Amino acid sequence: ETGVTQTPRHLVMGMTNKKSLKCEQHLGHNAMYWYKQSAKKPLELMFVYNFKEQTENNSVPSRFSPECPNSSHLFLHLHTLQPEDSALYLCASSPSIGGWAQPQHFGDGTRLSIL
Amino acid sequence: QQQVKQSPQSLIVQKGGIPIINCAYENTAFDYFPWYQQFPGKGPALLIAIRPDVSEKKEGRFTISFNKSAKQFSLHIMDSQPGDSATYFCAAGSGSNYQLIWGAGTKLIIKP
Repeated sequence: ETGVTQTPRHLVMGMTNKKSLKCEQHLGHNAMYWYKQSAKKPLELMFVYNFKEQTENNSVPSRFSPECPNSSHLFLHLHTLQPEDSALYLCASSPSIGGWAQPQHFGDGTRLSIL
Repeated sequence: QQQVKQSPQSLIVQKGGIPIINCAYENTAFDYFPWYQQFPGKGPALLIAIRPDVSEKKEGRFTISFNKSAKQFSLHIMDSQPGDSATYFCAAGSGSNYQLIWGAGTKLIIKP
């Protein structure tokens, strides 16, 4: 398997549920990202990991909790979400972080719906 | 200063036409300007990217034009095809800051 794989592709959950999103990359990259994509809005960067260390948390609410056990895997743990959290959550990876030499490769996302 | 403004929000072009999507930025520290293409049900995929030391870059039917003084860049699609129908995102970043700043996207429809 190649590229960036996200599971599940679709998730419906109640506001009190706990669930996790999974991302796996087979590109040998060292940086991984979580983005939130909402209709007609720019992609919102949520978290960045470089060599398993979190380097960025863009003021994301604590109901979203990332985990990066190694450079190939990234998780997003979800707890007590709000209806406005319904969106497409995208995972990306890049060789390392920073600009020109580090193009980001995206998975196909998890479509999350909060009831 | 961290925004990238993209226009139009949507665009419909006849097959063979040349759709043009525009982006403007404020931060002069940006030195990396990629365009991503996203099909329904798929994640964005890098299409083409440009640095500010060149005014134009072509890859196949896709061309980026860059105007450093105006702080604007645009994507042109030559001989557009229905298969080019997708949402296109511009972005900007710099080597000193790995965070890409994204435009809001343009939904392009190419009519047969």
